[in-house]
Amino acid sequence: QKEVEQDPGPLSVPEGAIVSLNCTYSNSAFQYFMWYRQYSRKGPELLMYTYSSGNKEDGRFTAQVDKSSKYISLFIRDSQPSDSATYLCAMIQGAQKLVFGQGTRLTINP
Amino acid sequence: GAVVSQHPSWVICKSGTSVKIECRSLDFQATTMFWYRQFPKQSLMLMATSNEGSKATYEQGVEKDKFLINHASLTLSTLTVTSAHPEDSSFYICSANLAGNSQETQYFGPGTRLLVL
Repeated sequence: QKEVEQDPGPLSVPEGAIVSLNCTYSNSAFQYFMWYRQYSRKGPELLMYTYSSGNKEDGRFTAQVDKSSKYISLFIRDSQPSDSATYLCAMIQGAQKLVFGQGTRLTINP
Repeated sequence: GAVVSQHPSWVICKSGTSVKIECRSLDFQATTMFWYRQFPKQSLMLMATSNEGSKATYEQGVEKDKFLINHASLTLSTLTVTSAHPEDSSFYICSANLAGNSQETQYFGPGTRLLVL
């Protein structure tokens, strides 16, 4: 079993829709949870970063962490074609290495 | 702020040659730099962690003699793929930590696409 599971998609939604991206994990010691956006042939860009459980909002993006269920989510409101990218969840335990999910390929259709 | 650059952005080489990839933190000092490899439609896999002035720590299954890492300064790390073979073709991405920050705040470079013929 992988430490971090993420549905690779692809996921295709119309412009303006609410997008929900999710990851599950098995290591209960993970403390920091990140979402990265990666455009084709580019490096990942940090979108959101959450410590422990709870919600965090930044503009159209909301990150949720449910440690009891070992489940994290990223919501994108009012999705735009420019949001089309691969979204990677990542998590870390203390000073250990980042562990990435496989990434979900998202397309927002105009 | 917190910009990481990589050079070259892409490289094509013949089998058996060596390729050097540079990773630079442009506007900050990076105590630690990380090297990842990403195959098409797959996630990033950590290859090694390098700290300035010391030997790199390689992940299990990564050959340290094949992937030479040098971290000579707080703003530069290099990855040399020695005697490259077609199976080494991949997208190589580095990241860097701000000095004094914990590992969750990694800033990624734009990646280097390597194609070995």
